[in-house]
Amino acid sequence: ELKVEQNPLFLSMQEGKNYTIYCNYSTTSDRLYWYRQDPGKSLESLFVLLSNGAVKQEGRLMASLDTKARLSTLHITAAVHDLSATYFCAVALNAGKSTFGDGTTLTVKP
Amino acid sequence: DADVTQTPRNRITKTGKRIMLECSQTKGHDRMYWYRQDPGLGLRLIYYSFDVKDINKGEISDGYSVSRQAQAKFSLSLESAIPNQTALYFCATSDPGLRTDTQYFGPGTRLTVL
Repeated sequence: ELKVEQNPLFLSMQEGKNYTIYCNYSTTSDRLYWYRQDPGKSLESLFVLLSNGAVKQEGRLMASLDTKARLSTLHITAAVHDLSATYFCAVALNAGKSTFGDGTTLTVKP
Repeated sequence: DADVTQTPRNRITKTGKRIMLECSQTKGHDRMYWYRQDPGLGLRLIYYSFDVKDINKGEISDGYSVSRQAQAKFSLSLESAIPNQTALYFCATSDPGLRTDTQYFGPGTRLTVL
């Protein structure tokens, strides 16, 4: 059974600071996703990582994948309030089926 | 118009009632999914369908059933609702023709079972 663990589950940051969210998974997979969810809203796709060493960047967010360590990271650079949300990683074990982590709720304070 | 829509958006019902949640999509995707989200937890897969004739159980299918009426429509039913089925329900679609197979989510249905 595939297990996906995120940490931390809650993160409070000051604006301008950097931080990293970690996503560990238990079984070899060929696809890892990062999603964002605003309070009371749906999930929005941020990144898809398909291979070992893959790195994707969008604005202040950068995601990377180490398939050998079964680890993905989501790095936040110079956080701003607009990044406050819950971030989920999801790992695809079999085609089309994804297992989600419990999410990291990020709060960026002035 | 939204690509993935869900109806109703909010529903309050009583224990023992039958309820149906509906999902429609205009993205032309073959794959559709139903998830539930509980506070502080990630999404858990209830059922998924890779085409109109294909229905598969997810990790938490007990107490739920689904119907894939057409490529664009995928309904979730609770035959006899119970309070611990109170949750936020999401429908999603994906396109296996794309290597990423990214899922696109509907706006969610908030269900309360009293």
